[in-house]
Amino acid sequence: QKEVEQDPGPLSVPEGAIVSLNCTYSNSAFQYFMWYRQYSRKGPELLMYTYSSGNKEDGRFTAQVDKSSKYISLFIRDSQPSDSATYLCAMSWGAQKLVFGQGTRLTINP
Amino acid sequence: DAGVIQSPRHEVTEMGQEVTLRCKPISGHNSLFWYRQTMMRGLELLIYFNNNVPIDDSGMPEDRFSAKMPNASFSTLKIQPSEPRDSAVYFCASSLIPGDSNQPQHFGDGTRLSIL
Repeated sequence: QKEVEQDPGPLSVPEGAIVSLNCTYSNSAFQYFMWYRQYSRKGPELLMYTYSSGNKEDGRFTAQVDKSSKYISLFIRDSQPSDSATYLCAMSWGAQKLVFGQGTRLTINP
Repeated sequence: DAGVIQSPRHEVTEMGQEVTLRCKPISGHNSLFWYRQTMMRGLELLIYFNNNVPIDDSGMPEDRFSAKMPNASFSTLKIQPSEPRDSAVYFCASSLIPGDSNQPQHFGDGTRLSIL
């Protein structure tokens, strides 16, 4: 079993829809939780960061961490075609050594 | 400001050849990371440096892989001899060493490596 599980998709939704992306993990020592966005032929870029449990909101993006269930989510409201990308969850226990999920390929259809 | 710069962007070479990938981190950053991304295994950390010193190389797959950071503005990842299964996209990332708060890792655009 991988330390971090993420459904690779692909996921295709119409413009304006609410998108929900999820990851589960097995290592209870993880304390730092991140979401990265990766456009085609580009490096990942940090989208959201959460320390320990709780929610964090930034514009149209909301990240949730439920440590009791070992489950993290990213919600995208009012999705736009420019949100089409691969979304990778990442987590770590010491803030430097990141473990990534497989990534979910998302397409927003105009 | 310039981001993380990797070279070459693409490399195609034959099995058995030596491959050297290069990375220039963001100026002022003191942590540097090398990752490998494949369809099968996703994005995996190979090795990272703090203040030019290797901290954790447990992700380096074999002795054929080696990484160096001779100074704060340059790092190399070398594969010798290369094998077809080394074909992947290799990313370099840099950050400040985390203190009380997390420091995001900034990624380059990667080197797409194909070993024939």
